[in-house]
Amino acid sequence: AIQMTQSPSSLSASVGDRVTITCRASQGIRTDLGWYQQKAGKAPKLLIHAASSLQNGVPSRFSGSGSGTDFTLTISSLQPEDFATYYCLQDNNYPRTFGQGTRVEIK
Amino acid sequence: EMQLVESGGGLVQPGGSLRLSCAASGFTFSTYWMSWFRQAPGKGLEWVANINQDGSHKFYVDSLKGRLTISRDNAKNSLFLQMNSLRAEDTAMYFCVREGNYEGINWFDPWGQGTLVTVSS
Repeated sequence: AIQMTQSPSSLSASVGDRVTITCRASQGIRTDLGWYQQKAGKAPKLLIHAASSLQNGVPSRFSGSGSGTDFTLTISSLQPEDFATYYCLQDNNYPRTFGQGTRVEIK
Repeated sequence: EMQLVESGGGLVQPGGSLRLSCAASGFTFSTYWMSWFRQAPGKGLEWVANINQDGSHKFYVDSLKGRLTISRDNAKNSLFLQMNSLRAEDTAMYFCVREGNYEGINWFDPWGQGTLVTVSS
């Protein structure tokens, strides 16, 4: 199975900060990667698919980049509603596998 | 509005069985792959299984193979997950998710609200 290594596992940031989360795949996955946001007690929500395609309705402060093995999710200016846990998910191969998650907390 | 509503979760004893259901609405169910994911309490997300549009292709996570069966009824816009020989480590919230696909690009959206399975004596 493809291993997805996500970092950091948690971070503290202030409103307005630029936040970067990374995911590294154990083998090349082209751009077959999505980013998901999960708030406490809620289902995950798709933010970005195909590494860099913003899902309809998702604010433009979210962006994704990368291909092959290294991927990045960037929040350009953190807003109060962005405090959540973020996961990457590869859909290049079976089984689909997630990163361990990054919890974004208020500083 | 696209919607997925899971049901069928609950408390079950170790070794028992459970059948989860997912009712889909707001999109043409029969034209999409569908997936189940799960999340143990306080843990990360895990993909469990998926099924293609007519049910002829199914994939499972290795750790659960032999104990799960995914199925669907397109006439009733419903997805199912039959779980057998349940263990304490199967305790989790189970999510039903639509798989989008276009020219080889996949995405998982929307997600249902989940149904909680608790395996305990």
